[in-house]
Amino acid sequence: NAGVTQTPKFQVLKTGQSMTLQCAQDMNHNSMYWYRQDPGMGLRLIYYSASEGTTDKGEVPNGYNVSRLNKREFSLRLESAAPSQTSVYFCASSAYQTGAEAFFGQGTRLTVV
Amino acid sequence: GQSLEQPSEVTAVEGAIVQINCTYQTSGFYGLSWYQQHDGGAPTFLSYNALDGLEETGRFSSFLSRSDSYGYLLLQELQMKDSASYFCAAEGPRQLTFGSGTQLTVLP
Repeated sequence: NAGVTQTPKFQVLKTGQSMTLQCAQDMNHNSMYWYRQDPGMGLRLIYYSASEGTTDKGEVPNGYNVSRLNKREFSLRLESAAPSQTSVYFCASSAYQTGAEAFFGQGTRLTVV
Repeated sequence: GQSLEQPSEVTAVEGAIVQINCTYQTSGFYGLSWYQQHDGGAPTFLSYNALDGLEETGRFSSFLSRSDSYGYLLLQELQMKDSASYFCAAEGPRQLTFGSGTQLTVLP
């Protein structure tokens, strides 16, 4: 199915381990986003990429890095995982720089123990 | 930056009409969007208002007043499957900022 694909769907990490969350979209969208969702706190923007080759910090970037590998792919890396990074991570893409009509992936449920 | 406020919970009965309000404070505002998220699922786009007024999409309508920094989502003829979280989101120059979400429970 066309849309936004995230991998993995579930992950358990030990404190201090690193990992990369992968995201790919096949809608030829310019803008891509990484959000985290914690209970009762909605979706908070970690990083975004308005176009290929550019990335910018969002509301909660500390502890994360991103790479916009090409127009399709936008990865999120946790260099040294902490329990506070236990969350559900969503990747999204939009044809518009304003984020209008964003499409979301199915999410990655990450637990850091 | 942007901040948005919406009620945390709303309860209504099947067949009724419910309105979910959203107020926002922004430093650069392009429009207001609404997303639906079922438990364990991904947010899905419902509607978007760039201009003042009402936008209707089937049973769902969304309203925006830029002068009041206020919008709402109106759900008519509620069905059990409408039980979900609803998020308003403000579109800024280069990013999309979400409210904390409203949990809608539809009772039989």
